[in-house]
Amino acid sequence: GEDVEQSLFLSVREGDSSVINCTYTDSSSTYLYWYKQEPGAGLQLLTYIFSNMDMKQDQRLTVLLNKKDKHLSLRIADTQTGDSAIYFCAESADDKIIFGKGTRLHILP
Amino acid sequence: DVKVTQSSRYLVKRTGEKVFLECVQDMDHENMFWYRQDPGLGLRLIYFSYDVKMKEKGDIPEGYSVSREKKERFSLILESASTNQTSMYLCASTRQGRWTEAFFGQGTRLTVV
Repeated sequence: GEDVEQSLFLSVREGDSSVINCTYTDSSSTYLYWYKQEPGAGLQLLTYIFSNMDMKQDQRLTVLLNKKDKHLSLRIADTQTGDSAIYFCAESADDKIIFGKGTRLHILP
Repeated sequence: DVKVTQSSRYLVKRTGEKVFLECVQDMDHENMFWYRQDPGLGLRLIYFSYDVKMKEKGDIPEGYSVSREKKERFSLILESASTNQTSMYLCASTRQGRWTEAFFGQGTRLTVV
């Protein structure tokens, strides 16, 4: 079945770049997503990439997709304290969305 | 600017009670979903609905049922609440097959004592 894997925790110094990695299994996924969940809040769609793209950039965010290896990454440039959150990787399969377990990004001063 | 609203942020219920979690969306979306979120387990799909009165089981439907009598409202029902249903419940809605336009509710934290 479909599965999405990501590491559970990442610690980064303020001002450095954060790179959150994800692997997925469903090669038929049309879109891959990154969601952000801040403490006490629901999920917010951060960015997404269409499966025929290699890269997408949106201000401080860069998404890289290696379709051959089924590997997705999210790079946050100049990480700020406001970036502290849980980041979920997800893929769409048929009419459902499959989430990873989430990576908690911790910002060091 | 409210898009997906869950009726309660926090609920405390007793074991054996019947519990209703309500979700309303104002975007005329066809699809609605109920997830539960637990530490270390991420988000797991309980049920989803792709049209009024239509429902499909997700990955963990046991102990839950759903109701979709109107397009804008999707209810999750715990027939007899148990302590292992203590969790954060998240509702989401999308247009048909359009997860690029997905919106989530703020979540309901349910505690069963």
